[in-house]
Amino acid sequence: KAGVTQTPRYLIKTRGQQVTLSCSPISGHRSVSWYQQTPGQGLQFLFEYFSETQRNKGNFPGRFSGRQFSNSRSEMNVSTLELGDSALYLCASSFTGFDGYTFGSGTRLTVV
Amino acid sequence: SQQGEEDPQALSIQEGENATMNCSYKTSINNLQWYRQNSGRGLVHLILIRSNEREKHSGRLRVTLDTSKKSSSLLITASRAADTASYFCAASYTGTASKLTFGTGTRLQVTL
Repeated sequence: KAGVTQTPRYLIKTRGQQVTLSCSPISGHRSVSWYQQTPGQGLQFLFEYFSETQRNKGNFPGRFSGRQFSNSRSEMNVSTLELGDSALYLCASSFTGFDGYTFGSGTRLTVV
Repeated sequence: SQQGEEDPQALSIQEGENATMNCSYKTSINNLQWYRQNSGRGLVHLILIRSNEREKHSGRLRVTLDTSKKSSSLLITASRAADTASYFCAASYTGTASKLTFGTGTRLQVTL
């Protein structure tokens, strides 16, 4: 069965721009989470959606937002990009959100 | 921050040896999960242990959980070169169960 698909794989953006990342979960999984991974801060939770509702949110500024569609696909948006937003962004899906997650390969965002 | 700690930060062993990684977490959990990451790509779910379980096995993996000490250990027996990766524990805390709080990770190097 298909895994979690994240697009694009790589992205280079300029400071001040905005970016949208996409995630297609495993079929049947209704929970989708997003994580940011950087060498300095490690893996940090951004938010989690279940059946189109944000159920949990991490400690990130309002520039980071997300949404989930009725088919469970999810997008996250970062507005007014800063250099510190350069990171690997990982999406993960799960049946309920209370079991193990399957992660995508990530989107590597570079802000210049 | 509720981010847990893992030790050691790095571990280098030879093929055939056992590798043990430790993880500490902060407060009451629903479950504790272990993931592997190869070369900064997506994470692979290895095993989930619930708060009322003390030990769990999966192939060459053995995980223990000590809720009184708020700690968990991952043992990989008979390591192979293909086990070379970073290993992370992730806590699902009570009250925010669908949010995973990752540890700092252990980088395992298995040499021939």
